[in-house]
Amino acid sequence: GNSVTQMEGPVTLSEEAFLTINCTYTATGYPSLFWYVQYPGEGLQLLLKATKADDKGSNKGFEATYRKETTSFHLEKGSVQVSDSAVYFCALVFSGGYNKLIFGAGTRLAVHP
Amino acid sequence: DVKVTQSSRYLVKRTGEKVFLECVQDMDHENMFWYRQDPGLGLRLIYFSYDVKMKEKGDIPEGYSVSREKKERFSLILESASTNQTSMYLCASSDPRGVYNQPQHFGDGTRLSIL
Repeated sequence: GNSVTQMEGPVTLSEEAFLTINCTYTATGYPSLFWYVQYPGEGLQLLLKATKADDKGSNKGFEATYRKETTSFHLEKGSVQVSDSAVYFCALVFSGGYNKLIFGAGTRLAVHP
Repeated sequence: DVKVTQSSRYLVKRTGEKVFLECVQDMDHENMFWYRQDPGLGLRLIYFSYDVKMKEKGDIPEGYSVSREKKERFSLILESASTNQTSMYLCASSDPRGVYNQPQHFGDGTRLSIL
């Protein structure tokens, strides 16, 4: 079946460190891929997306590249801030499926000054 | 900006009660979704609706039902609440028109405790 696997957290970093959160997927087809972010006490917000192989999504200094050959969509940021502390979810969606998202388990990021 | 509003941020109910969680969106979206979020499990889809009075089961529908009488409102109903339904509940909406990969827009969630 279709699924998303994320690296387990929590990920703890110092401010200005480099961030990578791994995400791999299993899919029978060619999904679109998303990263959502959930700040404390809030719902999920779309962070970035990619709709086809080799697309790069980017927003707020975060980037992720849709790698079909490795079925991956790793999230990266060159220099994290305390305000980036949140839970990050990787997700996929297929066409014709009422926009139903399949989520990974989420990865909690804690950034310390 | 799309606004998805959930009626309560925190709710405490007793075992056996019938519980209603309400969600309203203001962007005329056709699709609406209810998820529950539990640590280590991510988000799991309970039910979704693609039109007024239309509903489909998600991955974990047991113990829940939904109602969509108006396009902007999607209600989740716990018919007889149990302690294993203590969780964070998230509502979302999306516009399926145009390309298929429109993002879902989420409310802030309702943290429900069943005692």
